Amino acid sequence: DAKTTQPNSMESNEEEPVHLPCNHSTISGTDYIHWYRQLPSQGPEYVIHGLTSNVNNRMASLAIAEDRKSSTLILHRATLRDAAVYYCILSPTGNQFYFGTGTSLTVIP
Amino acid sequence: DGGITQSPKYLFRKEGQNVTLSCEQNLNHDAMYWYRQDPGQGLRLIYYSQIVNDFQKGDIAEGYSVSREKKESFPLTVTSAQKNPTAFYLCASSRIGVANTGELFFGEGSRLTVL
Repeated sequence: DAKTTQPNSMESNEEEPVHLPCNHSTISGTDYIHWYRQLPSQGPEYVIHGLTSNVNNRMASLAIAEDRKSSTLILHRATLRDAAVYYCILSPTGNQFYFGTGTSLTVIP
Repeated sequence: DGGITQSPKYLFRKEGQNVTLSCEQNLNHDAMYWYRQDPGQGLRLIYYSQIVNDFQKGDIAEGYSVSREKKESFPLTVTSAQKNPTAFYLCASSRIGVANTGELFFGEGSRLTVL
């Protein structure tokens, strides 16, 4: 299975942009890059996904490197509600998603 | 509202007892999944199902069983054979081809504690 590498934790000040990195050097040409986040004691929720081009939605932006070996999730203005564990996942074998340990984001007021 | 409902939210069990966790979805999704999460860890796949009356083992299926008699329901039984069942259990669903659509929908989870 294609693996991803993320920092264990990051901090950000409230109302500042946050860039969450993800390395996926073994990504295949057909793998999509997905991001989910998980608030404490809740199920993960979908944030964004992409293949090659950068993507934007109401929650975040996804910047994908030209060689696709890394990507960055961008939260444009961090709020306290963005404090969560963020998972970077490559599209699964069949319909299985493999979640690593993610990046725990702390937002400082 | 459409979504996934898991019950119970909290469950206590004595050693040696089987327990069944409920998962119901009204999103008309074909695929459903069960994950297990231990403190400070990521999610690990227990079982998944892409169609009624069919399911496949994930990475940690030992000590668990599932059924998929209806499209909207995917109950998980934690049997006495599961040696360390205390965990947070998450059910999810998606359309087939989730690799491209990108979206798994999760329930709020069931926290099982074995006494």
